[in-house]
Amino acid sequence: EDQVTQSPEALRLQEGESSSLNCSYTVSGLRGLFWYRQDPGKGPEFLFTLYSAGEEKEKERLKATLTKKESFLHITAPKPEDSATYLCAVQANTGNQFYFGTGTSLTVIP
Amino acid sequence: DSGVTQTPKHLITATGQRVTLRCSPRSGDLSVYWYQQSLDQGLQFLIQYYNGEERAKGNILERFSAQQFPDLHSELNLSSLELGDSALYFCASSVKGWDRGNGANVLTFGAGSRLTVL
Repeated sequence: EDQVTQSPEALRLQEGESSSLNCSYTVSGLRGLFWYRQDPGKGPEFLFTLYSAGEEKEKERLKATLTKKESFLHITAPKPEDSATYLCAVQANTGNQFYFGTGTSLTVIP
Repeated sequence: DSGVTQTPKHLITATGQRVTLRCSPRSGDLSVYWYQQSLDQGLQFLIQYYNGEERAKGNILERFSAQQFPDLHSELNLSSLELGDSALYFCASSVKGWDRGNGANVLTFGAGSRLTVL
């Protein structure tokens, strides 16, 4: 069964304290892995798509990496405005669905 | 503004009632997805339409139904509402549906409709 597990559920960081969020996935043929950012009461906002193991993408303080079984979202020197829930999703080759994890709630303390 | 428009933003209703949530996809996008997000759960896939046709069904209750119209807007109908139906309902759109050989789609989400059932 296709599924996505994110850890940790919640993460509190001091401003400037780098860390990583994990997304483990099981899918029958990966079409793409996606990272989204969601602010409270708002819709998820697209960050990255990764297609194959070894791929990396960067945007400002965020860097996403992909292996055959998991993806990491590295946050370097975070700022309070990076506080949000980060969602991981996968799309399989076999269908139309996107499977979302339950997210990591990140709080960056000034 | 993501380009995906959802109405209403907030809706309060009573148990047993019926509501309709509306979604206008981003210009040029043919595919619409509906998701439910509750406090204790992540995004739960409900249903997907591509150019007016149903393409995938997730954990959508029989009390819920949806359709996509010729102008590509979509409506999600929720009937015989229960307290547990209170949630954020998101619509997302993408350019493509699915076809073997296509690249992975990127979903663009609307701001959501918050439904409260009292």
